[in-house]
Amino acid sequence: GAVVSQHPSRVICKSGTSVKIECRSLDFQATTMFWYRQFPKQSLMLMATSNEGSKATYEQGVEKDKFLINHASLTLSTLTVTSAHPEDSSFYICSARVEANEKLFFGSGTQLSVL
Amino acid sequence: QKEVEQDPGPLSVPEGAIVSLNCTYSNSAFQYFMWYRQYSRKGPELLMYTYSSGNKEDGRFTAQVDKSSKYISLFIRDSQPSDSATYLCAMIKAAGNKLTFGGGTRVLVKP
Repeated sequence: GAVVSQHPSRVICKSGTSVKIECRSLDFQATTMFWYRQFPKQSLMLMATSNEGSKATYEQGVEKDKFLINHASLTLSTLTVTSAHPEDSSFYICSARVEANEKLFFGSGTQLSVL
Repeated sequence: QKEVEQDPGPLSVPEGAIVSLNCTYSNSAFQYFMWYRQYSRKGPELLMYTYSSGNKEDGRFTAQVDKSSKYISLFIRDSQPSDSATYLCAMIKAAGNKLTFGGGTRVLVKP
């Protein structure tokens, strides 16, 4: 299957700082990427849909100014958690869509811990 | 009521047994169906992908879709301890739409 690379895998930061997470499709171009958040023992919760060259579409309840998404190229989307607080601590996962068949492949996830 | 329902488990089976997982959905608009495996603190891994009713086999995995009953299944033959994970069903209504997940079933295969 297609490969999606996500970095970093783990990050610990102080409250008030910003953290950037990268998601790359390594062997295919992805017009659309998705960002999810997952709490322990729960399913994935879609945060936003990232479209190359245009603004991201955020799900209801997700703060646009807090979770900045940039999809500047067909292989890279970034999620920046701005002014992070302890309640933002979570597991963040990206996915990329293969347009030819609608298959979605996921990155390995980023565990964010805000102290 | 959730659009996609999945029993959370846990489902415990002995090594070598067949694991049977299923999901039901309420909206007949769903057209593409997927099963993912997720290990703890890892991203989901795509196992099976189907878009029509019937069976699809890949190694030890068989995916089954029954659109008339709005029911999909995943069977894992000759289960191994390494199959212990959470299994997520997922589906899409139309090309370009977002994925709708079931809640996931935790599976434990005991040696």
